[in-house]
Amino acid sequence: DAGITQSPRHKVTETGTPVTLRCHQTENHRYMYWYRQDPGHGLRLIHYSYGVKDTDKGEVSDGYSVSRSKTEDFLLTLESATSSQTSVYFCAISESGQGHEKLFFGSGTQLSVL
Amino acid sequence: KNEVEQSPQNLTAQEGEFITINCSYSVGISALHWLQQHPGGGIVSLFMLSSGKKKHGRLIATINIQEKHSSLHITASHPRDSAVYICAVRYSGGGADGLTFGKGTHLIIQP
Repeated sequence: DAGITQSPRHKVTETGTPVTLRCHQTENHRYMYWYRQDPGHGLRLIHYSYGVKDTDKGEVSDGYSVSRSKTEDFLLTLESATSSQTSVYFCAISESGQGHEKLFFGSGTQLSVL
Repeated sequence: KNEVEQSPQNLTAQEGEFITINCSYSVGISALHWLQQHPGGGIVSLFMLSSGKKKHGRLIATINIQEKHSSLHITASHPRDSAVYICAVRYSGGGADGLTFGKGTHLIIQP
């Protein structure tokens, strides 16, 4: 499973508070991603990273920031949580080589912003 | 934005039936993924295809590059196959952020 873990699994917070979600991997993969999953939508990319301190925005990056100070950790921060950020968040890794790509996902974080 | 369309959105079938889930996309791709998500659970990769056909157990995935279409088949379906099946494509030249996901097909297999 590429040794990918997310924390916390569940979080309830209040509007306006900062929230940080953590994604940790043990396999030294270069590419890491944060997605959100909402009813009626496919998974949507928030931010991704292609190396330590190398990150870029995805489709729905407003209100989110990320950091990757070590290969194994990719943090997603909601600077000031809003109710529209209530969602399930997934971290993912892609492993590529010789025309092959495999995706690994964390178990997800159910975030509720009240 | 290039879209990925899955059909059907919802499918309920009886145990033992042959299941087909479809995925279509709009422009050239370098890879197509089929993923499985059980209720309340994480997401698991089933297949990556760039051409042809792959088989794993009772699951078969095919892709027709010319028609921009892929199918996921489940033979001898079982209640444990009940899950959401998600198609995702990496568009050619899409780069590291280039995965586009379908909305998923919610499959229920009744005993």
